Amino acid sequence: QKEVEQNSGPLSVPEGAIASLNCTYSDRGSQSFFWYRQYSGKSPELIMFIYSNGDKEDGRFTAQLNKASQYVSLLIRDSQPSDSATYLCAVKDGAGNKLTFGGGTRVLVKP
Amino acid sequence: DAGITQSPRHKVTETGTPVTLRCHQTENHRYMYWYRQDPGHGLRLIHYSYGVKDTDKGEVSDGYSVSRSKTEDFLLTLESATSSQTSVYFCASGPLNTEAFFGQGTRLTVV
Repeated sequence: QKEVEQNSGPLSVPEGAIASLNCTYSDRGSQSFFWYRQYSGKSPELIMFIYSNGDKEDGRFTAQLNKASQYVSLLIRDSQPSDSATYLCAVKDGAGNKLTFGGGTRVLVKP
Repeated sequence: DAGITQSPRHKVTETGTPVTLRCHQTENHRYMYWYRQDPGHGLRLIHYSYGVKDTDKGEVSDGYSVSRSKTEDFLLTLESATSSQTSVYFCASGPLNTEAFFGQGTRLTVV
């Protein structure tokens, strides 16, 4: 079992709709969770981080964390064509040292 | 943007030769990471460092070694390059228990 798993997609959503991305992790001691966006040929850039159970909102993005289910998700509201990218879930281990990424979910927003 | 630079940005090398990639950060970050990115595999952790001379293996460390003699520099060495090590390599760094910031990436081709 991979430490961090994501559906590879592509996830195709119409412009203006909500994109829902999911991520599961295996290390129950994990404490910090991150979502990165990566455009083709570019470096990953941080969108959001979440440390506590529940929801965290930042503009059109909402991260949701459920530690009991070892599950973290990202919602993108009012999706725009510029949101078309690969979204990477990342998890830091309980010691706060190792940062492990999932395989990424490719999102396509169609006008 | 965090001051993280990778060198070289592009390199072509022959099978069996040693190769060293350099990551330099000016942010005084404690943590540094080396990842490789291949189609269908997302970002896979090679090695990471949690302090000067403190390093540990990631999920794909075979054939790679690292050194960190100063806070700002993290070197990745391919002992004897193989074609399977053709990839895009990303370095990242970050402070304690927060997100990591990425360099621009190094495209390595082993022929």
